[in-house]
Amino acid sequence: NAGVTQTPKFRILKIGQSMTLQCAQDMNHNYMYWYRQDPGMGLKLIYYSVGAGITDKGEVPNGYNVSRSTTEDFPLRLELAAPSQTSVYFCASTSRDTQYFGPGTRLTVL
Amino acid sequence: GQQVMQIPQYQHVQEGEDFTTYCNSSTTLSNIQWYKQRPGGHPVFLIQLVKSGEVKKQKRLTFQFGEAKKNSSLHITATQTTDVGTYFCVRYNFNKFYFGSGTKLNVKP
Repeated sequence: NAGVTQTPKFRILKIGQSMTLQCAQDMNHNYMYWYRQDPGMGLKLIYYSVGAGITDKGEVPNGYNVSRSTTEDFPLRLELAAPSQTSVYFCASTSRDTQYFGPGTRLTVL
Repeated sequence: GQQVMQIPQYQHVQEGEDFTTYCNSSTTLSNIQWYKQRPGGHPVFLIQLVKSGEVKKQKRLTFQFGEAKKNSSLHITATQTTDVGTYFCVRYNFNKFYFGSGTKLNVKP
Protein backbone atom coordinates (compact mmCIF):
# COMPACT_ATOMS: atom_id res chain seq x y z
CA ASN A 1 0.00 0.00 0.00
CA ALA A 2 1.20 3.50 -0.85
CA GLY A 3 -0.82 4.97 2.02
CA VAL A 4 -1.67 8.65 1.53
CA THR A 5 -0.07 10.34 -1.46
CA GLN A 6 0.00 14.04 -2.31
CA THR A 7 0.99 15.92 -5.42
CA PRO A 8 2.73 18.17 -6.12
CA LYS A 9 5.47 18.28 -3.46
CA PHE A 10 6.24 21.93 -4.10
CA ARG A 11 4.51 24.72 -5.98
CA ILE A 12 4.95 28.45 -6.44
CA LEU A 13 1.87 30.42 -7.45
CA LYS A 14 1.34 34.01 -8.40
CA ILE A 15 -1.36 36.01 -6.62
CA GLY A 16 -4.74 35.33 -8.21
CA GLN A 17 -3.77 32.02 -9.81
CA SER A 18 -5.68 28.83 -9.15
CA MET A 19 -4.53 25.31 -8.48
CA THR A 20 -5.64 21.94 -7.20
CA LEU A 21 -3.72 19.98 -4.61
CA GLN A 22 -4.20 16.27 -5.13
CA CYS A 23 -4.62 13.70 -2.36
CA ALA A 24 -5.24 9.99 -2.72
CA GLN A 25 -5.32 7.05 -0.32
CA ASP A 26 -5.44 3.33 -1.03
CA MET A 27 -6.49 2.15 2.43
CA ASN A 28 -10.24 2.36 1.75
CA HIS A 29 -10.68 4.92 4.53
CA ASN A 30 -13.95 6.82 4.58
CA TYR A 31 -12.67 9.83 6.51
CA MET A 32 -10.26 12.25 4.86
CA TYR A 33 -8.91 15.65 5.93
CA TRP A 34 -7.05 18.68 4.66
CA TYR A 35 -4.83 20.74 6.96
CA ARG A 36 -2.53 23.68 6.60
CA GLN A 37 0.55 24.20 8.75
CA ASP A 38 2.13 27.61 8.99
CA PRO A 39 5.77 27.87 10.17
CA GLY A 40 6.21 26.93 13.82
CA MET A 41 2.51 26.26 14.28
CA GLY A 42 0.19 23.34 14.68
CA LEU A 43 -2.10 22.04 11.97
CA LYS A 44 -5.36 23.81 11.20
CA LEU A 45 -8.24 21.88 9.68
CA ILE A 46 -9.45 23.29 6.36
CA TYR A 47 -12.04 20.75 5.19
CA TYR A 48 -12.89 17.17 5.86
CA SER A 49 -15.01 14.40 4.39
CA VAL A 50 -16.70 11.43 6.03
CA GLY A 51 -17.31 9.64 2.75
CA ALA A 52 -17.77 10.02 -0.98
CA GLY A 53 -20.12 12.88 -1.75
CA ILE A 54 -19.94 14.36 1.77
CA THR A 55 -17.73 17.28 2.76
CA ASP A 56 -17.75 19.79 5.60
CA LYS A 57 -15.86 22.86 6.71
CA GLY A 58 -13.12 22.86 9.30
CA GLU A 59 -11.59 25.78 11.20
CA VAL A 60 -10.12 27.72 8.24
CA PRO A 61 -12.14 26.96 5.05
CA ASN A 62 -12.14 30.45 3.47
CA GLY A 63 -10.38 30.56 0.11
CA TYR A 64 -10.59 26.79 -0.42
CA ASN A 65 -12.95 24.25 -1.92
CA VAL A 66 -13.05 20.48 -1.89
CA SER A 67 -14.86 17.64 -3.55
CA ARG A 68 -15.07 13.92 -2.82
CA SER A 69 -16.35 11.98 -5.79
CA THR A 70 -14.59 8.73 -4.84
CA THR A 71 -13.41 7.10 -1.61
CA GLU A 72 -9.80 7.31 -2.78
CA ASP A 73 -9.47 10.96 -3.85
CA PHE A 74 -9.93 14.23 -1.97
CA PRO A 75 -8.61 17.20 -3.97
CA LEU A 76 -8.28 20.69 -2.49
CA ARG A 77 -8.90 23.66 -4.77
CA LEU A 78 -7.49 27.18 -4.36
CA GLU A 79 -9.39 29.54 -6.65
CA LEU A 80 -7.67 32.91 -6.18
CA ALA A 81 -4.34 32.38 -4.47
CA ALA A 82 -3.30 34.94 -1.86
CA PRO A 83 0.01 35.34 0.03
CA SER A 84 -1.81 34.33 3.23
CA GLN A 85 -2.22 30.86 1.71
CA THR A 86 1.52 30.28 1.71
CA SER A 87 1.82 27.20 3.89
CA VAL A 88 2.44 23.48 3.97
CA TYR A 89 -0.68 21.48 3.20
CA PHE A 90 -1.22 18.02 4.60
CA CYS A 91 -3.86 15.52 3.63
CA ALA A 92 -4.81 12.71 5.99
CA SER A 93 -7.13 9.74 6.16
CA THR A 94 -8.43 8.12 9.30
CA SER A 95 -9.01 4.63 10.53
CA ARG A 96 -10.25 3.99 14.08
CA ASP A 97 -9.41 7.53 15.23
CA THR A 98 -5.83 7.27 13.95
CA GLN A 99 -4.81 9.75 11.29
CA TYR A 100 -2.40 8.78 8.51
CA PHE A 101 -0.79 11.76 6.83
CA GLY A 102 0.57 12.31 3.37
CA PRO A 103 4.02 13.86 2.87
CA GLY A 104 2.62 17.36 2.32
CA THR A 105 2.64 20.03 -0.37
CA ARG A 106 4.71 23.14 0.22
CA LEU A 107 2.92 26.07 -1.43
CA THR A 108 4.31 29.58 -1.86
CA VAL A 109 2.16 32.42 -3.18
CA LEU A 110 4.07 35.44 -4.45
CA GLY B 1 -12.82 26.91 22.39
CA GLN B 2 -11.72 23.64 20.90
CA GLN B 3 -8.00 24.26 21.07
CA VAL B 4 -5.56 22.63 23.42
CA MET B 5 -2.62 24.60 24.81
CA GLN B 6 0.88 23.12 24.91
CA ILE B 7 3.92 24.12 26.92
CA PRO B 8 6.75 24.66 26.51
CA GLN B 9 6.97 25.88 22.93
CA TYR B 10 10.61 24.85 22.66
CA GLN B 11 12.89 22.60 24.68
CA HIS B 12 16.59 22.07 24.20
CA VAL B 13 18.13 19.15 26.09
CA GLN B 14 21.41 17.32 26.23
CA GLU B 15 21.25 13.75 25.02
CA GLY B 16 20.42 11.53 27.98
CA GLU B 17 18.33 14.14 29.79
CA ASP B 18 14.62 13.73 30.31
CA PHE B 19 11.94 15.78 28.53
CA THR B 20 8.31 16.54 29.32
CA THR B 21 5.65 18.40 27.36
CA TYR B 22 2.28 19.38 28.77
CA CYS B 23 -1.10 19.79 27.16
CA ASN B 24 -3.96 21.69 28.80
CA SER B 25 -7.60 22.25 27.98
CA SER B 26 -10.17 24.55 29.56
CA THR B 27 -12.86 21.93 28.95
CA THR B 28 -13.09 18.24 29.67
CA LEU B 29 -11.64 16.10 26.91
CA SER B 30 -13.21 12.89 25.71
CA ASN B 31 -9.79 11.76 24.55
CA ILE B 32 -6.32 13.08 23.76
CA GLN B 33 -3.92 11.95 21.09
CA TRP B 34 -0.20 12.55 20.63
CA TYR B 35 1.65 12.89 17.34
CA LYS B 36 5.30 13.38 16.45
CA GLN B 37 6.52 15.37 13.47
CA ARG B 38 10.15 15.07 12.46
CA PRO B 39 11.75 18.15 10.85
CA GLY B 40 10.52 18.41 7.28
CA GLY B 41 8.17 15.47 7.78
CA HIS B 42 4.53 14.79 8.43
CA PRO B 43 2.80 14.06 11.76
CA VAL B 44 2.86 10.45 12.87
CA PHE B 45 0.38 9.04 15.37
CA LEU B 46 1.90 7.93 18.68
CA ILE B 47 -0.97 7.12 21.03
CA GLN B 48 -4.52 7.86 22.15
CA LEU B 49 -5.65 8.19 25.78
CA VAL B 50 -9.33 7.97 26.71
CA LYS B 51 -9.63 7.09 30.39
CA SER B 52 -9.27 9.39 33.38
CA GLY B 53 -5.83 8.96 34.95
CA GLU B 54 -4.67 6.67 32.17
CA VAL B 55 -0.94 6.02 31.82
CA LYS B 56 0.56 4.34 28.78
CA LYS B 57 4.17 3.57 27.97
CA GLN B 58 6.01 3.05 24.73
CA LYS B 59 9.63 2.19 25.49
CA ARG B 60 11.11 5.47 26.80
CA LEU B 61 7.87 7.44 26.25
CA THR B 62 5.26 7.76 29.01
CA PHE B 63 1.87 9.31 28.31
CA GLN B 64 -0.55 10.44 31.01
CA PHE B 65 -4.14 11.66 30.96
CA GLY B 66 -5.18 13.76 33.94
CA GLU B 67 -7.76 12.63 36.45
CA ALA B 68 -10.08 15.46 35.42
CA LYS B 69 -9.41 14.76 31.71
CA LYS B 70 -8.34 18.36 31.15
CA ASN B 71 -4.62 17.82 30.77
CA SER B 72 -2.10 15.36 29.45
CA SER B 73 1.64 14.95 29.39
CA LEU B 74 4.30 13.19 27.39
CA HIS B 75 7.54 12.30 29.16
CA ILE B 76 10.64 10.99 27.41
CA THR B 77 13.28 9.32 29.56
CA ALA B 78 16.93 9.60 28.55
CA THR B 79 16.41 11.43 25.28
CA GLN B 80 18.21 10.37 22.13
CA THR B 81 18.94 12.32 18.96
CA THR B 82 16.23 10.30 17.25
CA ASP B 83 13.69 12.00 19.54
CA VAL B 84 14.20 15.33 17.78
CA GLY B 85 10.99 16.76 16.37
CA THR B 86 7.77 18.51 17.32
CA TYR B 87 5.28 16.76 19.58
CA PHE B 88 1.62 17.66 19.24
CA CYS B 89 -1.30 16.86 21.45
CA VAL B 90 -4.56 16.59 19.55
CA ARG B 91 -8.15 16.46 20.66
CA TYR B 92 -10.63 14.50 18.58
CA ASN B 93 -14.24 15.57 18.71
CA PHE B 94 -17.14 14.88 16.35
CA ASN B 95 -15.01 13.83 13.37
CA LYS B 96 -12.64 16.80 13.77
CA PHE B 97 -9.08 16.89 15.05
CA TYR B 98 -7.76 19.98 16.86
CA PHE B 99 -3.99 20.27 17.10
CA GLY B 100 -2.10 22.02 19.85
CA SER B 101 0.68 24.38 18.83
CA GLY B 102 3.31 21.73 19.60
CA THR B 103 6.53 21.48 21.57
CA LYS B 104 9.68 21.49 19.50
CA LEU B 105 12.36 19.27 20.99
CA ASN B 106 16.02 19.64 20.12
CA VAL B 107 18.51 17.11 21.48
CA LYS B 108 22.20 17.97 21.55
CA PRO B 109 24.54 14.98 21.18
